[in-house]
Amino acid sequence: QKEVEQNSGPLSVPEGAIASLNCTYSDRGSQSFFWYRQYSGKSPELIMFIYSNGDKEDGRFTAQLNKASQYVSLLIRDSQPSDSATYLCAGRDDKIIFGKGTRLHILP
Amino acid sequence: GAVVSQHPSRVICKSGTSVKIECRSLDFQATTMFWYRQFPKQSLMLMATSNEGSKATYEQGVEKDKFLINHASLTLSTLTVTSAHPEDSSFYICSASGAIRGYGYTFGSGTRLTVV
Repeated sequence: QKEVEQNSGPLSVPEGAIASLNCTYSDRGSQSFFWYRQYSGKSPELIMFIYSNGDKEDGRFTAQLNKASQYVSLLIRDSQPSDSATYLCAGRDDKIIFGKGTRLHILP
Repeated sequence: GAVVSQHPSRVICKSGTSVKIECRSLDFQATTMFWYRQFPKQSLMLMATSNEGSKATYEQGVEKDKFLINHASLTLSTLTVTSAHPEDSSFYICSASGAIRGYGYTFGSGTRLTVV
């Protein structure tokens, strides 16, 4: 069974701090990984994808991938209240497998 | 790029009636589309994978005769909830994959179905 595991949270982070979201996956065949943000009552929105080991930065977001450890993370710098949402990690082999999501709450 | 349009955004129907939800890829061709259901405060649940020109593949526990999926073109997939009951009330979301953004899935805006 291919799985993507995330801590459900909630993860509470003070405004302006760095939020760190983590994810592990079981399928070594997964080639690419994605982070989605989902606000309550809305559909998920793709914010980052990564397929090479190391870091990938886009604005305040940095995705990190370690294929040897089967570990993906998302860092959000200078956290804002508007970053409060559920973050879904996903891995892709022949299809995309989603984790159950981590609820992030940015404290004003 | 990679815009997926879903319609309607909200629908209320009477128990026993059928409801059709449309999912369109606006600026790319989607040979495969996916239908998810999400209950409040729960995670996404994949219902079925829709392939253009062929039968949909349903996940275990999803009734194919109740949730009819049609993917007649490279830009349109439809989900029909037949003989809807109150327990079918949920947030239904489609997604599509194209050769952009790392082949990630782009989601439609979702349809809030309420069966009364």
